[in-house]
Amino acid sequence: AQSVTQLDSHVSVSEGTPVLLRCNYSSSYSPSLFWYVQHPNKGLQLLLKYTSAATLVKGINGFEAEFKKSETSFHLTKPSAHMSDAAEYFCVVIRMDSSYKLIFGSGTRLLVRP
Amino acid sequence: DAGITQSPRHKVTETGTPVTLRCHQTENHRYMYWYRQDPGHGLRLIHYSYGVKDTDKGEVSDGYSVSRSKTEDFLLTLESATSSQTSVYFCAISEVQNEQFFGPGTRLTVL
Repeated sequence: AQSVTQLDSHVSVSEGTPVLLRCNYSSSYSPSLFWYVQHPNKGLQLLLKYTSAATLVKGINGFEAEFKKSETSFHLTKPSAHMSDAAEYFCVVIRMDSSYKLIFGSGTRLLVRP
Repeated sequence: DAGITQSPRHKVTETGTPVTLRCHQTENHRYMYWYRQDPGHGLRLIHYSYGVKDTDKGEVSDGYSVSRSKTEDFLLTLESATSSQTSVYFCAISEVQNEQFFGPGTRLTVL
């Protein structure tokens, strides 16, 4: 069975400092992994995806994530936080059966302090 | 939002009334999904469709039904709304093995 665990429910950083949002996954197969972002009162937007090509994946708005099979991790990073990055972030794995259902982590709320 | 619209965007209704939410896509994607989002629970799958007239249950399907008579439309019906169904509902679409694209959401309040 596939699952994802987001290790922090809340992360607080100062503007201009690095962001690290942690995600561990469990999968019997080579997984497809995603990071989505949800700004307040908005829908979910895809930040980036990993589908067994390059292990370092670059996404929108300066975010990137590295797939590490040995650590079963897919952490999301950004070198310098911006106030507009304040949002909730979801790590997601796709279920590799006929449904292709998404399995969501519980989310990490990122707060950016001025 | 990848050619996905949801209607209505906001709805207030009373307990016991039927409610239908509509998801419309212009991407011709095969898969369509309905989720609900509640504080502390993240997104939970209600029902999904893998083609016209082909639907299946998700993890929180009790009290909900769906229909898909055309590729572009996926309807979610609450036969008799309850206060526990107050939530934000998201529709999503995808092609096989790819990421899902989400609609803007419908905020439903059941009084």
